[in-house]
Amino acid sequence: DTGVSQDPRHKITKRGQNVTFRCDPISEHNRLYWYRQTLGQGPEFLTYFQNEAQLEKSRLLSDRFSAERPKGSFSTLEIQRTEQGDSAMYLCASSLLEQGGEKLFFGSGTQLSVL
Amino acid sequence: RKEVEQDPGPFNVPEGATVAFNCTYSNSASQSFFWYRQDCRKEPKLLMSVYSSGNEDGRFTAQLNRASQYISLLIRDSKLSDSATYLCVVRVRSYGGSQGNLIFGKGTKLSVKP
Repeated sequence: DTGVSQDPRHKITKRGQNVTFRCDPISEHNRLYWYRQTLGQGPEFLTYFQNEAQLEKSRLLSDRFSAERPKGSFSTLEIQRTEQGDSAMYLCASSLLEQGGEKLFFGSGTQLSVL
Repeated sequence: RKEVEQDPGPFNVPEGATVAFNCTYSNSASQSFFWYRQDCRKEPKLLMSVYSSGNEDGRFTAQLNRASQYISLLIRDSKLSDSATYLCVVRVRSYGGSQGNLIFGKGTKLSVKP
């Protein structure tokens, strides 16, 4: 499968614990995005990378959230001291930004449940 | 005001109907526009880009009005398989003028009935 893969598919954790998610983008895609989605809402932007550089982070994102993309390949999203409000689907998407435009390919997401 | 706003829906239409979705965006410097489709419990997938002159892809027509900051999607001859949530997506210009991130609307749910 050469699509975007995310791991794990599901994560259940207790409030206050740290969690880390991984995203493997499509090979050679230079952009990687993280979004969060809750039921009945559209994907909410969290952050994105172009190669290894983190270009923007949502102002809505607290300091408990951090993302990395070492070497411009896979990315990790860490949430520290999880809260019940963090429960959501965390979606990763990658794209190849070219002159003609950009098409995002999403992974299947990581469903986080904070108890 | 939210950056991208869409019709709340849901839209319940019979097969064969024509249905239109609207979307407005707040940032006048927005650069690119898209419609994504999301099936229940699935990830979003690109349906079509929206060009300034309007564009068509089979039964789907997208329109952009930059002056009104308005985007639309028209679906003709609806099929049962069109049932999904349709997400309006806008690319904002990042600081420094480069192509910025993609902002999604809340989505409009469409249900096509036999």
